[in-house]
Amino acid sequence: GAGVSQSPSNKVTEKGKDVELRCDPISGHTALYWYRQSLGQGLEFLIYFQGNSAPDKSGLPSDRFSAERTGGSVSTLTIQRTQQEDSAVYLCASTSGLESDTQYFGPGTRLTVL
Amino acid sequence: AQRVTQPEKLLSVFKGAPVELKCNYSYSGSPELFWYVQYSRQRLQLLLRHISRESIKGFTADLNKGETSFHLKKPFAQEEDSAMYYCALYNFNKFYFGSGTKLNVKP
Repeated sequence: GAGVSQSPSNKVTEKGKDVELRCDPISGHTALYWYRQSLGQGLEFLIYFQGNSAPDKSGLPSDRFSAERTGGSVSTLTIQRTQQEDSAVYLCASTSGLESDTQYFGPGTRLTVL
Repeated sequence: AQRVTQPEKLLSVFKGAPVELKCNYSYSGSPELFWYVQYSRQRLQLLLRHISRESIKGFTADLNKGETSFHLKKPFAQEEDSAMYYCALYNFNKFYFGSGTKLNVKP
């Protein structure tokens, strides 16, 4: 079956502009994670959605970052007033929702803020 | 607080040599630990998890609670093992990843 998909694959934007990154999880997966992968920094947890529960937003670095998940499926990560330090690869992963189940990652969106 | 440390950014070995990628963690309870791998131009994917106690692609990892380590080992490295390896700890719906080790297996 289809894996996790993300769009766009690459995004170049100017400082101060808003961007939206999309994640389409595996069908039936109830849990969805967003991570930021910066050079030499590993994966930084951003936000976690599980079913209809309130999302865990504890990893969002500032109030310029927000995410939503509509209908328990597709998720959008929005970065407002982008800064150069936001440049990174943004990864999405989904799991079946069982505790510590395997995460299936998308290909990522490479964001470059000029 | 949970923390995962991978002290080596880059590890280079020759084909056929043993390899050990180090992972140390800080966690007060019973950890659930994983190794994820990212091959060139591929997605990040699960390699193995400690509760499975299995060997994947010749790799094994043993949880050492005394040393708080979960090192990844393979007795004879292959060129196709060249990739980025991430150690991760799971706790309360979150995965904490290390900064990764790039393994380069030379012919």
